[in-house]
Amino acid sequence: GQSLEQPSEVTAVEGAIVQINCTYQTSGFYGLSWYQQHDGGAPTFLSYNALDGLEETGRFSSFLSRSDSYGYLLLQELQMKDSASYFCAVSLSGNTPLVFGKGTRLSVIA
Amino acid sequence: GAGVSQSPSNKVTEKGKDVELRCDPISGHTALYWYRQSLGQGLEFLIYFQGNSAPDKSGLPSDRFSAERTGGSVSTLTIQRTQQEDSAVYLCASSLASGGAFLIQETQYFGPGTRLLVL
Repeated sequence: GQSLEQPSEVTAVEGAIVQINCTYQTSGFYGLSWYQQHDGGAPTFLSYNALDGLEETGRFSSFLSRSDSYGYLLLQELQMKDSASYFCAVSLSGNTPLVFGKGTRLSVIA
Repeated sequence: GAGVSQSPSNKVTEKGKDVELRCDPISGHTALYWYRQSLGQGLEFLIYFQGNSAPDKSGLPSDRFSAERTGGSVSTLTIQRTQQEDSAVYLCASSLASGGAFLIQETQYFGPGTRLLVL
């Protein structure tokens, strides 16, 4: 079976930095994606890592270590609007359904 | 259209009835995916279409679930004889599926979902 582990909840203060980890055990691996989902909304794509290292997109960065089957999403300068659920997802091969983790609910507090 | 659309946005039905959920993908997207999300849970894969064919139906929970896609565009997910455990948000996503190398993420664009409640 496929398994992705991420913390269920994280709380952080506005303006701070938070890291959401994801470890995976899957039968195949093309890359690791991160999606954001606000309550009642649809998941929206944030980032994708296929190679080891850090990808930076504005306040959000994502990291991957293929040898460790591990990645993380880093959110800087947290804003209240960043309160949402964040899902890591693995692409097992090209153009195939994503395997999602259960999500991490991030609460940003003042 | 500009994005993936789904209808209805909400559906309340009685146990035992059949329901049909519709998904209109982004124009030109050849891949279409159905997922299910229960309250506070992650996304559970149901079925995937490449064009009109479904190479992967492994996620369908039972034979009460079926889906089709016509004209490489609109897809319908049908649940027969609904049960209370079918209550969830049903999400549809589409992607270009250009067949690019693994370095290129085939971003999946999600619709707003259909919230199904089986009483």
